[in-house]
Amino acid sequence: DIQMTQSPSLLSASVGDRVTLSCKASQSIYNSLTWYQQKLGEAPKLLIYDANSLQTGIPSRFSGSGSGTDYTLTISNLQPEDVATYFCQKYYSGLTFGSGTKLEIK
Amino acid sequence: QIQLVQSGPELKKPGESVKISCKASGYTFTDYAMHWVKQAPGKGLKWMGWINTYTGKPTYADDFKGRFVFSLEASASTANLQISNLKNEDTATYFCARGAYWERDVMDAWGQGASVTVSS
Repeated sequence: DIQMTQSPSLLSASVGDRVTLSCKASQSIYNSLTWYQQKLGEAPKLLIYDANSLQTGIPSRFSGSGSGTDYTLTISNLQPEDVATYFCQKYYSGLTFGSGTKLEIK
Repeated sequence: QIQLVQSGPELKKPGESVKISCKASGYTFTDYAMHWVKQAPGKGLKWMGWINTYTGKPTYADDFKGRFVFSLEASASTANLQISNLKNEDTATYFCARGAYWERDVMDAWGQGASVTVSS
């Protein structure tokens, strides 16, 4: 089974910062990766699919990159409403979520 | 607009069964897969499986084979999750989520979640 590892588990940053969240697969997943945002008490929301495609309606400060085993979600110009837990999910060779990165504002 | 509306919170005893519903609107129900995802309190997301809403065929993740059943009421654009012989570890919020048109395993719309508490 392909394992998904997210880091860090907790990230604290200031409004206006550029933040980078990491998701690593135990073997190549060929860009079959999504990122979801989950705010407290809410359902997850799709942000990015196919590693770097922005879902309709998502602000352009969110971007995804990576290939092979290593993927990144970047939030530029961090806003207070971005406080949430972010999950990656692979869909190559089965469907698995990462353990999440909780993003806080300093 | 696309909506997935799930049934309300449930409080059950160990050994009982529960049925959670997910009513879809704003799109053609049978054109999109439906996934189920578990989130235990304070924990991450765990994929339970999916159901082909056209054929009714379910696919279960390994950890959810046996006590878990996905079903449909296609005429009512509703997907259901039934859990039998409930255990304390089934306490969680259960989400339904639509599989995207371009890639079944990308979940582009989610229900609000249904809370199940199992306690004696």
